[in-house]
Amino acid sequence: DSGVTQTPKHLITATGQRVTLRCSPRSGDLSVYWYQQSLDQGLQFLIQYYNGEERAKGNILERFSAQQFPDLHSELNLSSLELGDSALYFCASSTRGVQGGYTFGSGTRLTVV
Amino acid sequence: GNSVTQMEGPVTLSEEAFLTINCTYTATGYPSLFWYVQYPGEGLQLLLKATKADDKGSNKGFEATYRKETTSFHLEKGSVQVSDSAVYFCALSGLGGGADGLTFGKGTHLIIQP
Repeated sequence: DSGVTQTPKHLITATGQRVTLRCSPRSGDLSVYWYQQSLDQGLQFLIQYYNGEERAKGNILERFSAQQFPDLHSELNLSSLELGDSALYFCASSTRGVQGGYTFGSGTRLTVV
Repeated sequence: GNSVTQMEGPVTLSEEAFLTINCTYTATGYPSLFWYVQYPGEGLQLLLKATKADDKGSNKGFEATYRKETTSFHLEKGSVQVSDSAVYFCALSGLGGGADGLTFGKGTHLIIQP
């Protein structure tokens, strides 16, 4: 157990629907990062939050949004889902900086049918 | 922006063979460098890291040396085991443009045959 908890582990939904992925960071970590992993694109950085505030944005679609709550857990919202959104979505957390690396959760596998 | 280039896989080796997975990077400043490993069905786990030039990171028999002059961080292991079969990701700190986070390579799938 890495200390980063992601739920659910698997999600199957239809095109056009909206889903919410949840992440609880490791105790004491203030930063949360979301990544999308697909076979063709590899690991793509989506967005980072630090202590409740958005810190950096990567290749995140406008249909996707995220937030970090006062208790530091984070949610990634994916809407108007398309088949191409099927992927593994990982959350990672770190202390203030990433010089020490991330701790990853085990991911949510999203399948859009 | 920052980028990481890894050798394409899959890399297939026999048990007890010597392993090298190449990794080169492009980055501004002085990033930290990492190797992560992903076993089937699991998240990424930090394997080793190096924070400055000429540092050697090591863990579980794996080693990598931060070479600033060649912008490389190649992963090596002297004698691989079947249990080392996994996907290995090279990464560096920094997303480019001053943003915090890690930039990953595309990963190298390693297959070790008994």
